[in-house]
Amino acid sequence: AQSVTQLGSHVSVSEGALVLLRCNYSSSVPPYLFWYVQYPNQGLQLLLKYTSAATLVKGINGFEAEFKKSETSFHLTKPSAHMSDAAEYFCAVSEGVGGSYIPTFGRGTSLIVHP
Amino acid sequence: DGGITQSPKYLFRKEGQNVTLSCEQNLNHDAMYWYRQDPGQGLRLIYYSQIVNDFQKGDIAEGYSVSREKKESFPLTVTSAQKNPTAFYLCASSALDDNEKLFFGSGTQLSVL
Repeated sequence: AQSVTQLGSHVSVSEGALVLLRCNYSSSVPPYLFWYVQYPNQGLQLLLKYTSAATLVKGINGFEAEFKKSETSFHLTKPSAHMSDAAEYFCAVSEGVGGSYIPTFGRGTSLIVHP
Repeated sequence: DGGITQSPKYLFRKEGQNVTLSCEQNLNHDAMYWYRQDPGQGLRLIYYSQIVNDFQKGDIAEGYSVSREKKESFPLTVTSAQKNPTAFYLCASSALDDNEKLFFGSGTQLSVL
């Protein structure tokens, strides 16, 4: 079975500061890992995904995430936060289950950016 | 533009009433999904479908029903058996050759009157 834990339901940073959103996963097979972003009253958009190629994955809007198998982690970072980064962020994991690859989502982390 | 369209954006349900949420996609995706989103609980899978005329229950299927008569459409009915239907409902789709990446609609907020 697969699962995702996002540490911290809310993360607050100042504009220009480092953003770090934490995600740990469990999976019985090599996983696919994702970060999605959700702006208020909208659907989710894919930020980036890991699919067993490079362990450091670069995504849109300056975000990146590093897959660490030994720590079962896939933390999301951005060197300098912008006000426009304020949103809900979801980590997700999927694995082949009869080929369906249905992703499991974490509970989400709300990123708050202060001026 | 290709994408997923959910309607309506807001929906109100009376006690004992069934309501249907629409989801249409023009991405030519084989797989479609319905998720329920509650504050602080993330996304929970209700139903999914990988081919026309076939669908599978997700983690919280009780009180919901779906159909997949056309590749483009995957409507969700919230029945009167669902006692706590107030939530934000998200429809998603994916291509089977890249089916780990989901494309989402903009959601429907369902509330009980």
